[in-house]
Amino acid sequence: QKEVEQNSGPLSVPEGAIASLNCTYSDRGSQSFFWYRQYSGKSPELIMFIYSNGDKEDGRFTAQLNKASQYVSLLIRDSQPSDSATYLCAVNLRSWGKLQFGAGTQVVVTP
Amino acid sequence: SQTIHQWPATLVQPVGSPLSLECTVEGTSNPNLYWYRQAAGRGLQLLFYSVGIGQISSEVPQNLSASRPQDRQFILSSKKLLLSDSGFYLCAWDSGTQETQYFGPGTRLLVL
Repeated sequence: QKEVEQNSGPLSVPEGAIASLNCTYSDRGSQSFFWYRQYSGKSPELIMFIYSNGDKEDGRFTAQLNKASQYVSLLIRDSQPSDSATYLCAVNLRSWGKLQFGAGTQVVVTP
Repeated sequence: SQTIHQWPATLVQPVGSPLSLECTVEGTSNPNLYWYRQAAGRGLQLLFYSVGIGQISSEVPQNLSASRPQDRQFILSSKKLLLSDSGFYLCAWDSGTQETQYFGPGTRLLVL
């Protein structure tokens, strides 16, 4: 079982719609959760981090964490073609400072 | 503000040749530093991390090595490259007091 799992996609989303990305993790002791966006050929850039159960909103992005069910999700509202990228979920496992990354979900926003 | 640099940006090397990739961070002191590799269409694999000068932890046994000769400099090396070493190499840092990692622009390595 992989420690961090994401659907690889591609997730096709019409422009203006909501994109919903999911990530599950295996270690119940995980404390911190991150979403990165990676454009093709570029390095990952941080979108959001979340530590506590519930929702965290930043602009068009909302991260949702449910530690009991061991999943974290990312919602992208009013999706734009510029949101087309691969989204990486990362989890800080019990060892401080070391992130475990999922393989990423490719999102394609269609005009 | 903090910035992270990597060079070279791209590299094409023959099998069996040596490798040296460099990463430097500006605007911060005593960062934690990380080397990742991303194979085509795959996730990020942590290769090495360092919490201080001369302190290197290896995550995956392979023909690569890392060194940290200065506080804000991290080097990835190999004596003899393999075809399987091809990939996108990313350096990342965090401040040591919080967990968010920030990535450099990466080096794309093709071993032929």
